[in-house]
Amino acid sequence: QSVLTQPPSVSGAPGQRVTISCTGSSSNIGAGYDVHWYQQLPGTAPKLLIYGNSNRPSGVPDRFSGSKSGTSASLAISGLQAEDEADYYCQSYDSSLSGYVFGTGTKVTVL
Amino acid sequence: QVQLQESGPGLVKPSQTLSLTCTVSGGSISSGSYYWSWIRQPAGKGLEWIGRIYTSGSTNYNPSLKSRVTISVDTSKNQFSLKLSSVTAADTAVYYCARQWLSFDPWGQGTLVTVSS
Repeated sequence: QSVLTQPPSVSGAPGQRVTISCTGSSSNIGAGYDVHWYQQLPGTAPKLLIYGNSNRPSGVPDRFSGSKSGTSASLAISGLQAEDEADYYCQSYDSSLSGYVFGTGTKVTVL
Repeated sequence: QVQLQESGPGLVKPSQTLSLTCTVSGGSISSGSYYWSWIRQPAGKGLEWIGRIYTSGSTNYNPSLKSRVTISVDTSKNQFSLKLSSVTAADTAVYYCARQWLSFDPWGQGTLVTVSS
């Protein structure tokens, strides 16, 4: 059972903005550990989307943005496109578990 | 550009040991301050970090798997490996290797390992 909770699914029409929450606790996000986000297209390996809470690797469109506050983090996708249909995972470190943890995952559907 | 590729048997019998290797290309496994990790994903489920190794040989494991996991590195071959002992059907998953600094990037394409008699 993951210690980082995400909504199972979010959806939006093309061009809309959607957000995905990642809720943790005082032993992970709330303890100050960085949050990273990954995009997993169907049948492929996860790909780094956001690192260090809000930084985009080279090549990731600026439609994707990340933020962190308290014991939670969020990923926003603006100008939603059909190619954004994928599973999205947050990831951090948990001091109680002494290991790296992933969120439960969110499936984004473009209507 | 660094690339990672997993290899190993796709079918393992219950109670046996799962063994996988990750080959790093496009750069030396010893360069930079990187850790090298294993992550798995059962079909239709989420991601689980298994453990990691530094090129010095220092390791960290997921406490829930620690008693069954061994990760090793062979810098001469630019490879690192995973051994998971006493496997059961619950260990059936796609296994990924990944480079880790602040985050996991890049990832290998993944390899499916099925535990079945």
